[in-house]
Amino acid sequence: EADIYQTPRYLVIGTGKKITLECSQTMGHDKMYWYQQDPGMELHLIHYSYGVNSTEKGDLSSESTVSRIRTEHFPLTLESARPSHTSQYLCASRTGGSADTQYFGPGTRLTVL
Amino acid sequence: DQQVKQNSPSLSVQEGRISILNCDYTNSMFDYFLWYKKYPAEGPTFLISISSIKDKNEDGRFTVFLNKSAKHLSLHIVPSQPGDSAVYFCAASGTYKYIFGTGTRLKVLA
Repeated sequence: EADIYQTPRYLVIGTGKKITLECSQTMGHDKMYWYQQDPGMELHLIHYSYGVNSTEKGDLSSESTVSRIRTEHFPLTLESARPSHTSQYLCASRTGGSADTQYFGPGTRLTVL
Repeated sequence: DQQVKQNSPSLSVQEGRISILNCDYTNSMFDYFLWYKKYPAEGPTFLISISSIKDKNEDGRFTVFLNKSAKHLSLHIVPSQPGDSAVYFCAASGTYKYIFGTGTRLKVLA
């Protein structure tokens, strides 16, 4: 069982606000990921990290930013939220090795009014 | 270019029967595959995986089959239960990320 946490689970916020979505894992995984998913749509990779001080943009352009100061923590920040940012945000971490498995957090459902 | 494809967006199955979800891939370098289940407003849950050195892996009601020559994998759920109703994603392990399919929505009818 994976220990990966996301807070908040649900967030409703007004346009222009700065928000940070938290993601933490206690498994010591080096690789972490952020995905964005709209209902009924595919998963889009927006950011990933190979380890501390490593961050890369994913396949889908995103106005969000990430940081990786500690192995266990991979927060995502939106400086100025807009209605187009309304979506579900999923954080994941990956074991690596021969039985490489990626585990997801429970997600944050963001609604920007 | 979609490297991992799930061509059936939805599937309905009667409770107790077999559910078969299909996934095709294009890159013969992929050597590890996974299936995830996702309920609305929750994160995907890892179900089962298979390495390219195998052609079958079984875990309880879930079995994944891999046909490397056809670049095709399938997930069998037997017997299907109403709680299995969810969206199922297949994924292939790439260099720095997993490549996910677009998902198949399974509905198990009671």
